[in-house]
Amino acid sequence: KAGVTQTPRYLIKTRGQQVTLSCSPISGHRSVSWYQQTPGQGLQFLFEYFSETQRNKGNFPGRFSGRQFSNSRSEMNVSTLELGDSALYLCASSLEALGTQYFGPGTRLTVL
Amino acid sequence: AQSVTQLGSHVSVSEGALVLLRCNYSSSVPPYLFWYVQYPNQGLQLLLKYTTGATLVKGINGFEAEFKKSETSFHLTKPSAHMSDAAEYFCAVSEGRETSGSRLTFGEGTQLTVNP
Repeated sequence: KAGVTQTPRYLIKTRGQQVTLSCSPISGHRSVSWYQQTPGQGLQFLFEYFSETQRNKGNFPGRFSGRQFSNSRSEMNVSTLELGDSALYLCASSLEALGTQYFGPGTRLTVL
Repeated sequence: AQSVTQLGSHVSVSEGALVLLRCNYSSSVPPYLFWYVQYPNQGLQLLLKYTTGATLVKGINGFEAEFKKSETSFHLTKPSAHMSDAAEYFCAVSEGRETSGSRLTFGEGTQLTVNP
């Protein structure tokens, strides 16, 4: 079974732009979560979607948003990019709402 | 609120030596506990997990961890280190409740170096 896939793998943007990242979960998984990983703050939870509904949200500004489609694929969007948004963005999927999370390879976002 | 503390941001061992990575957690409810490994430029790979039941959990690549409620610990061990074990290791906790979903709270990570 294919793992979690994330596209693109690498992205370079400039301040003020917006970006959309995509995540395809493991087939059959209904829950998708997003995390931000930076050297300074470590791994931080962004949000979780289950059956197209946001179940949980971390402490990030409203510039960070996401959605989940009926096929469980998910996107996250960051508007008005700031230098501090440079990070590895990781997506994880789980079979059920309380299931074990399996991570994708991440999208490396660099904001110049 | 939950939290995870990993003691030692860097651990160095010789090949063939015991690996011990420490993790302590704080949780107001019975936790689900996880260890993940991250190799350079990759995502996180699940090593093992504890939800309920047996407190000694065996994972992939010869790793195991023991849940000790009285010590609020979930230390990761491997009897004999291999060069391929060099990576960053993350301990994580989730509440295991419907209201909190699968949300994971991670420790700061421990970089393991294996010397030949």
